[in-house]
Amino acid sequence: DIQMTQSPSTLSASVGDRVTITCRASQSISNWLAWYQQKPGKAPKLLIYKASSLESGVPSRFSGSGSGTEFTLTISSLQPDDFATYYCQQYNSYWTFGQGTKVEIK
Amino acid sequence: QITLQESGPTLGKPTQTLTLTCSFSGFSLNTSGVGVGWIRQPPGKALEWLALIDWDDDKRYSPSLKSRLTITKDSSKNQVVLRMTNMGPMDTATYYCARRGPDIVFDYWGQGTLVTVSS
Repeated sequence: DIQMTQSPSTLSASVGDRVTITCRASQSISNWLAWYQQKPGKAPKLLIYKASSLESGVPSRFSGSGSGTEFTLTISSLQPDDFATYYCQQYNSYWTFGQGTKVEIK
Repeated sequence: QITLQESGPTLGKPTQTLTLTCSFSGFSLNTSGVGVGWIRQPPGKALEWLALIDWDDDKRYSPSLKSRLTITKDSSKNQVVLRMTNMGPMDTATYYCARRGPDIVFDYWGQGTLVTVSS
């Protein structure tokens, strides 16, 4: 099984900050990596797929990068609507999610 | 407009079998490259993929839960059914169904249904 490890688990930031979340895979997954945003009581929302492709309708302040085993999600300027939990997910072999990163207000 | 909706019991007892139905609209499970999957999330915890069924009836299961899961589809009714046997308290979670689109990721999700397993 491919394990996904996110860091940090919690991130405190202010509106306007640049935020970076890291996701590591236990083995190479090429670029088969997606990022989701989840707000309390809601279903996850797809933000990025294939490591760096922005899902339609997602603001351009979100970007993804990486390949192999190391990936990052960057929010260039944090907005009030962005306070949420973010999950990475590999789909090289079945589908596995990371443990999540909660972005909270500083 | 693509929508998915989960339905099923909200409460179950240990050892029972859970049956959840995903009813969807706005896409067809007869379309090449499309699938429907089930993902769950215990309260306060991370997401866990459970099972997926493809347009060609190919089925895939989480290795850790494979012996307990069965996924089926009725394309004419636009429904996918997940059965999980031998339920226990650790299966208490919100269960989501989601469309697996041509990009192989889950691009549309249902709102989720909370299932509590307790004696």
